[in-house]
Amino acid sequence: DGGITQSPKYLFRKEGQNVTLSCEQNLNHDAMYWYRQDPGQGLRLIYYSQIVNDFQKGDIAEGYSVSREKKESFPLTVTSAQKNPTAFYLCASSIGGVRQTQYFGPGTRLLVL
Amino acid sequence: GESVGLHLPTLSVQEGDNSIINCAYSNSASDYFIWYKQESGKGPQFIIDIRSNMDKRQGQRVTVLLNKTVKHLSLQIAATQPGDSAVYFCAEGYGQNFVFGPGTRLSVLP
Repeated sequence: DGGITQSPKYLFRKEGQNVTLSCEQNLNHDAMYWYRQDPGQGLRLIYYSQIVNDFQKGDIAEGYSVSREKKESFPLTVTSAQKNPTAFYLCASSIGGVRQTQYFGPGTRLLVL
Repeated sequence: GESVGLHLPTLSVQEGDNSIINCAYSNSASDYFIWYKQESGKGPQFIIDIRSNMDKRQGQRVTVLLNKTVKHLSLQIAATQPGDSAVYFCAEGYGQNFVFGPGTRLSVLP
């Protein structure tokens, strides 16, 4: 089946720790995105990548980092600099650029211990 | 499950009735709009989209209406079913951006 997978479903972070969220897609989509979802708010863009080895900051990139070494994969690292990391993180992909329809993965819930 | 929207507006409808979910968008330059459905603890699921050169588009049991004059988008769901219970949010696209609304929780009553 084609789709977007995210792992793990739940992730626990200790204070001062960096954690990495995985996102993989087999849709052959060029563009991939990371969003953060907080209760009562719309999705906020963290980072996006339109091609391999290139990515751009979104609206709330501080405290996060990404890489795009393969077309299929776009991992997100939540660094210790992100002081309020508890949220639901969603990865998405689209055929072309930002304005194409984005399809989402199942999400990762990050909790702080 | 996860609470996607703890403080979202809620629409409650009887099973079998039609549902209308509304979205006010912010940018008059927006020219592409999408409706997503998100069940608790899951990622958003694409429902239907519409471009600004249209004012209505229909899918299976769903219709999206676009009123550019008042910057308003609506999603109509016909014969609402229990499986339609979810948070529904709109997204507006302009330039290189997509802006997502916080959503409305649809609750289907038996």
